[in-house]
This record gives sequence, structure tokens and C-alpha cells, in this order.
Amino acid sequence: DAGVIQSPRHEVTEMGQEVTLRCKPISGHDYLFWYRQTMMRGLELLIYFNNNVPIDDSGMPEDRFSAKMPNASFSTLKIQPSEPRDSAVYFCASSLRSEKLFFGSGTQLSVL
Amino acid sequence: DAKTTQPNSMESNEEEPVHLPCNHSTISGTDYIHWYRQLPSQGPEYVIHGLTSNVNNRMASLAIAEDRKSSTLILHRATLRDAAVYYCILRDVMRDSSYKLIFGSGTRLLVRP
Repeated sequence: DAGVIQSPRHEVTEMGQEVTLRCKPISGHDYLFWYRQTMMRGLELLIYFNNNVPIDDSGMPEDRFSAKMPNASFSTLKIQPSEPRDSAVYFCASSLRSEKLFFGSGTQLSVL
Repeated sequence: DAKTTQPNSMESNEEEPVHLPCNHSTISGTDYIHWYRQLPSQGPEYVIHGLTSNVNNRMASLAIAEDRKSSTLILHRATLRDAAVYYCILRDVMRDSSYKLIFGSGTRLLVRP
């Protein structure tokens, strides 16, 4: 298996622009998680899905952030409009039931 | 969410054992103890997890105190490739049986050649 695939690896954008991050989980996994990592705040859980249904989005910073999982093989995290404080590494992870998480390589986002 | 406490950093010599401690005094009876590590410029990777009994796998061993208020991750022979941030996490099970992992600040392990 190719593991969790995230795209793009790097994204540089200007403040106010829309940013879409993409994630393909491991086939057969039923949980999908979005995390954000910064030096100041460490790894933060933003939202997670179970069987494509959002379970807990309490970690989403504000209404500018939205996440979708239209099917079992694809999820997006969208920021609109983006701000410099959104600059971070965004990780997607998937798991089967309550077993171990598999993380993608992350998307390094820079908002200028 | 139940919390864990870890030292900010530890150092080890290559090919020596490393014991990484974690305190979780507010752990509940159903919380699993998970360990992940994050190598530089990579996403976290699973290391090991357990509930009550000590656990071993090819990467490490997990020693859980009898009262479950603390645990220790043991790397039997540290290599330079083991230099990473190690996270001790309590798996939080929700009412609907879904779960989430909340990462703390972890322990940065430095391995000296």
C-alpha cells in the first residue's frame, strides 16, 4: 500500500486566497484525521471522520476552515480566506477502527 | 481529555538502552496508552500501545506501571535513526466508541554517536 497520500507537499499563497489541501487515506481505513503542527502549538487535532462522517470538529480554528470527506478515499481541508497565522504543516492520518494511526508526509503551508 | 507529562528532552548514547518516561495520573480504566514518534521533517509514526500488560514489538517495549499512572517506552539499543520526538498519548474513547488522539509536547530524544 502507498500509505496516506497528501497533496500538495508545499503550498505558498498570499493572504486572502483560498487554499485546498487534499488527502487520500489508506484503502479500507474507516477513520480519517486532520492535524496541524506549528512550533508554538505543537500537533493539534482539527477534525476527524468515521466512515466519511465528521465526528468532532471542535479543533477547527474558525469558520474559515472547512473539511469534507465525500467518499472513503478522499478528503479535503479548505481555508478561505487564508491568513499568515494559518502557516503550518498540515497532516492527514487514517486508521482502521481503533488501531494505530498512519500519517501522511504533510503539507507545508506558507501564507504570505 | 486525560493528560500526559513527559520530559522535554533526553539524551542517549548510540547502542545503549533508552527509557522514556510518561506520567498519566488521571488515566481512566478504558484509556489505552499509545506511543508515537516523529522523525525530523516527517509525520508521526506509530511505535507501540498497551492497556495494562507490558508490550513488546520489533521497535520497542512498553512497560506499564501496575496502577497505570505511568509508563515507560524502552528502546533496547538506540541508533542515530531513533533521534526523534516521542509522544505518549492516552487514547480518548468517545461515547459513540469513536476515538481521538491528542498529542502533547513530547520528549525530544538526542542520540550521541
